[in-house]
Amino acid sequence: DQQVKQNSPSLSVQEGRISILNCDYTNSMFDYFLWYKKYPAEGPTFLISISSIKDKNEDGRFTVFLNKSAKHLSLHIVPSQPGDSAVYFCAASAESGTYKYIFGTGTRLKVLA
Amino acid sequence: DAGITQSPRHKVTETGTPVTLRCHQTENHRYMYWYRQDPGHGLRLIHYSYGVKDTDKGEVSDGYSVSRSKTEDFLLTLESATSSQTSVYFCAISGRQGMSSEQYFGPGTRLTVT
Repeated sequence: DQQVKQNSPSLSVQEGRISILNCDYTNSMFDYFLWYKKYPAEGPTFLISISSIKDKNEDGRFTVFLNKSAKHLSLHIVPSQPGDSAVYFCAASAESGTYKYIFGTGTRLKVLA
Repeated sequence: DAGITQSPRHKVTETGTPVTLRCHQTENHRYMYWYRQDPGHGLRLIHYSYGVKDTDKGEVSDGYSVSRSKTEDFLLTLESATSSQTSVYFCAISGRQGMSSEQYFGPGTRLTVT
């Protein structure tokens, strides 16, 4: 039972264009969401987060949108750069205080120069 | 970057042997986690710790045990390794209260069970 789903295993985007990575969840109790980026042979690194009380959070080139009614969140990267090529994981939490997260399966983004 | 290291970084072992992976942090963070990453499954939580000697199971805890005798170290033990435990293992830490509770990950340990 995959509570957090990233249905696109891979995505290719031209440099300078927008990258949109999607994530769907099934548990309506999730109240905090994060995106991580992972390069090969390295641990995931935190990118951006959003609380369920918001519908948008922006940090530089990265914006996360949350649609609670659709149980959907997306990560927008504008403009995309070759260094953004990595695997992106979304994660969700429903247990405030224990910080336990459920991760999606990841989307591999390739930004073409 | 958070001060978090994992050892060993690579290990090959035989089925049935015990294996212990170590996670060490210098951040004095309260929470520590062990995940495994497998193709098609993303990151799955094995066990986590919310303080010294306080641990709990994650979603894929069967075949694994953990110990945390001091704040900075979190050990993951495979009592009798199986081929299904071939994976990349990541340790993570988190310490802040409130909504900004992102986790910081170590570099990973690649374990191969033959």
